Amino acid sequence: SAVISQKPSRDICQRGTSLTIQCQVDSQVTMMFWYRQQPGQSLTLIATANQGSEATYESGFVIDKFPISRPNLTFSTLTVSNMSPEDSSIYLCSVARGYTEAFFGQGTRLTVV
Amino acid sequence: KQEVTQIPAALSVPEGENLVLNCSFTDSAIYNLQWFRQDPGKGLTSLLLIQSSQREQTSGRLNASLDKSSGRSTLYIAASQPGDSATYLCAVPPQGGSEKLVFGKGTKLTVNP
Repeated sequence: SAVISQKPSRDICQRGTSLTIQCQVDSQVTMMFWYRQQPGQSLTLIATANQGSEATYESGFVIDKFPISRPNLTFSTLTVSNMSPEDSSIYLCSVARGYTEAFFGQGTRLTVV
Repeated sequence: KQEVTQIPAALSVPEGENLVLNCSFTDSAIYNLQWFRQDPGKGLTSLLLIQSSQREQTSGRLNASLDKSSGRSTLYIAASQPGDSATYLCAVPPQGGSEKLVFGKGTKLTVNP
């Protein structure tokens, strides 16, 4: 298994500002994943973060809006930039080992006012 | 493009009932399928992982089955308890072997005392 710590657990932010979410894993992993869950919706993958290379973004998500860092094999950050109320969501960090079980952090509940 | 559908969207049952949650997916070339539980405003807890070579997995009162050829999975919960109240999510890789996941919208379960 994997233990994932995500910070902050929740935040209320002003529109136009940015928030950086941190994800720490208790062991080294090759890929880390960032998902978004909008109110009443299921999870959608934002991007895949690989150590030592640029993150790979899914269709509809861009680096300028969601810059990601992956400085080592146990840590990643996701920044939500120039926030608007539409960015109000739960953001979740995930890891998996090979094609096996995926594990998630407890999520960051973001409200933009 | 992989799509995941979960039926029903919501379910309310009295305590003690046995129940079945359904999940279907469009691309049957998957390596595995995973069931998660999500409590309100929280992250995801992995419940069961079924590899493509398996037909079912059991954990306590939970039993998940997988029929790859028909693109279906079921999650059976025996002797439901109020503590089982949560949203249950089904997820599969977008295609073949991938550590990314595509999620259904979930089934919101309420178990009434």
